Amino acid sequence: GAVVSQHPSRVICKSGTSVKIECRSLDFQATTMFWYRQFPKQSLMLMATSNEGSKATYEQGVEKDKFLINHASLTLSTLTVTSAHPEDSSFYICSARGQGLSSGNTIYFGEGSWLTVV
Amino acid sequence: LAKTTQPISMDSYEGQEVNITCSHNNIATNDYITWYQQFPSQGPRFIIQGYKTKVTNEVASLFIPADRKSSTLSLPRVSLSDTAVYYCLVGDSPTNQAGTALIFGKGTTLSVSS
Repeated sequence: GAVVSQHPSRVICKSGTSVKIECRSLDFQATTMFWYRQFPKQSLMLMATSNEGSKATYEQGVEKDKFLINHASLTLSTLTVTSAHPEDSSFYICSARGQGLSSGNTIYFGEGSWLTVV
Repeated sequence: LAKTTQPISMDSYEGQEVNITCSHNNIATNDYITWYQQFPSQGPRFIIQGYKTKVTNEVASLFIPADRKSSTLSLPRVSLSDTAVYYCLVGDSPTNQAGTALIFGKGTTLSVSS
């Protein structure tokens, strides 16, 4: 079963509004989570590293004021896309490193969240 | 972070063994090699991970030569459902609890036909 869960799996929002995507680690604590964006037929692009209790670290070219990341607990990180535009439409994926799981310590990915801005 | 190079695409038929080779010439001493599978509109799924020599699990084998500058993912007797994108990544030791993020290359699109 999934060890990292995202919600919602699909969301449609109007231009100019904000939308929040949640990423939860199930049955383990994740001090660090990662957020990726993937456009159709392209690879995953790292957006930011989310650190529990501190500010996220953003990759070059990713606007921190547009993509707000909050990692308030050891099992939850949220990505808020503010003032969304159609070009923000994409597949957003989070990941976290599992610890002490029966399958070993490795990075697991959420199911992804499709964002469509109309 | 070590860069990886994989073939862009591969074609196979059901029941065949598929070997996907990945080059990672600049792999660091503490880097592990991990392979992920991704289906459309889904997050990547862990397949296998190794440091050196050979690793085998219920779905695949991973061959890593002594110099660790490349690795080969072997999928035995593929089926139509193995059609997906396969990513080879190198990164921190699994015991590095914080660790750095995995950086994805372009991956290999495997197409399995009947």
